[in-house]
Amino acid sequence: QKEVEQDPGPLSVPEGAIVSLNCTYSNSAFQYFMWYRQYSRKGPELLMYTYSSGNKEDGRFTAQVDKSSKYISLFIRDSQPSDSATYLCAMSAWAGSARQLTFGSGTQLTVLP
Amino acid sequence: NAGVTQTPKFQVLKTGQSMTLQCAQDMNHNSMYWYRQDPGMGLRLIYYSASEGTTDKGEVPNGYNVSRLNKREFSLRLESAAPSQTSVYFCASSDVGYERGFYNEQFFGPGTRLTVL
Repeated sequence: QKEVEQDPGPLSVPEGAIVSLNCTYSNSAFQYFMWYRQYSRKGPELLMYTYSSGNKEDGRFTAQVDKSSKYISLFIRDSQPSDSATYLCAMSAWAGSARQLTFGSGTQLTVLP
Repeated sequence: NAGVTQTPKFQVLKTGQSMTLQCAQDMNHNSMYWYRQDPGMGLRLIYYSASEGTTDKGEVPNGYNVSRLNKREFSLRLESAAPSQTSVYFCASSDVGYERGFYNEQFFGPGTRLTVL
């Protein structure tokens, strides 16, 4: 079983829809929870991060963490064609001599105009 | 600032050939990482360097070697390439943070697309 499981998609939605992206995890040592966005043929870029259980909002994006259920979500409101990308959840914990990130497999999102 | 740069962008090798992927960062970060990305597998850590002079294995180190040349540069070497190493390789860098609240944002390069025939 992978430490981080992510709904694989792909997901295709009309412009303006609300999008929900989800990950579950099994390692209780994870301390920080992140969402990276990766456009086609580019490197991932950090979109949002959270530490504690609850919600964190940034514009049209809301990150949600439920540590008791080991479940995280990213919601995108009023989705736009420019949101079309692969979204990777990532979780941070100390391992060896550095903090390491463990990534989900990614969900490919297409927002249709 | 260029951020994280990688060379080459594309490479085709034959089985058994060797090559080195280069990575450099200009953000004065202590830690650097090499990942591979395969369809359906996400990003998997190959090797990392927590600070200049140190390197450690990640999740999938077999068939690879690394060198932390200085604080800026971290190279990945394939000694005898195999078709299973066909992938997209990403280098990343971050600060080292021991204090509470440091969440280790990693900054990624644009990637190297490697095909091994």
